[in-house]
Amino acid sequence: DSGVTQTPKHLITATGQRVTLRCSPRSGDLSVYWYQQSLDQGLQFLIQYYNGEERAKGNILERFSAQQFPDLHSELNLSSLELGDSALYFCASSTRDNEQYFGPGTRLTVT
Amino acid sequence: SQKIEQNSEALNIQEGKTATLTCNYTNYSPAYLQWYRQDPGRGPVFLLLIRENEKEKRKERLKVTFDTTLKQSLFHITASQPADSATYLCALVGNTGKLIFGQGTTLQVKP
Repeated sequence: DSGVTQTPKHLITATGQRVTLRCSPRSGDLSVYWYQQSLDQGLQFLIQYYNGEERAKGNILERFSAQQFPDLHSELNLSSLELGDSALYFCASSTRDNEQYFGPGTRLTVT
Repeated sequence: SQKIEQNSEALNIQEGKTATLTCNYTNYSPAYLQWYRQDPGRGPVFLLLIRENEKEKRKERLKVTFDTTLKQSLFHITASQPADSATYLCALVGNTGKLIFGQGTTLQVKP
């Protein structure tokens, strides 16, 4: 158990809908990262937050947004969902050396 | 552009042998490099970190080398066991702290 929690575990929704994925980092970690992993793309970095502020952005679509709250939990919002958004979404938190501790992931299926 | 390459073909070896996985990178000068293990449907698990001024790092049956001239890291598992079967990801950390993952190499250890 990495200490990072993610909910929900599975999500099935229709195209055009909006969903929110939630993540709580390990106790003491200030950084939260979001990744998308699909079969053909590998693990893709989406966005990083540090102590409530956006720190770095990767290949995140404009339809996706995230935030980190004062209690350090983070939410990833995915809107106008398309079939291609079906993937595993991971959240991670990190140590000072950027060793990343990943949550169990949310499997999103868009039908 | 920055590129990380891991052998996309699965590596099949016999139990007890040493597995060697390769990570090559181009157009990049990472401050350090990390290796992760990922089991199907689960989040990656941090294994080892090696800095640019370190040639080699060991942890139990794992050994990582980092050659900044060749732009290559090798990941060795000695006395491999079927339980070592998984996908192994290398990740590079640049000066911005952003982590970029390779596609991973799947290792299959046969009893």
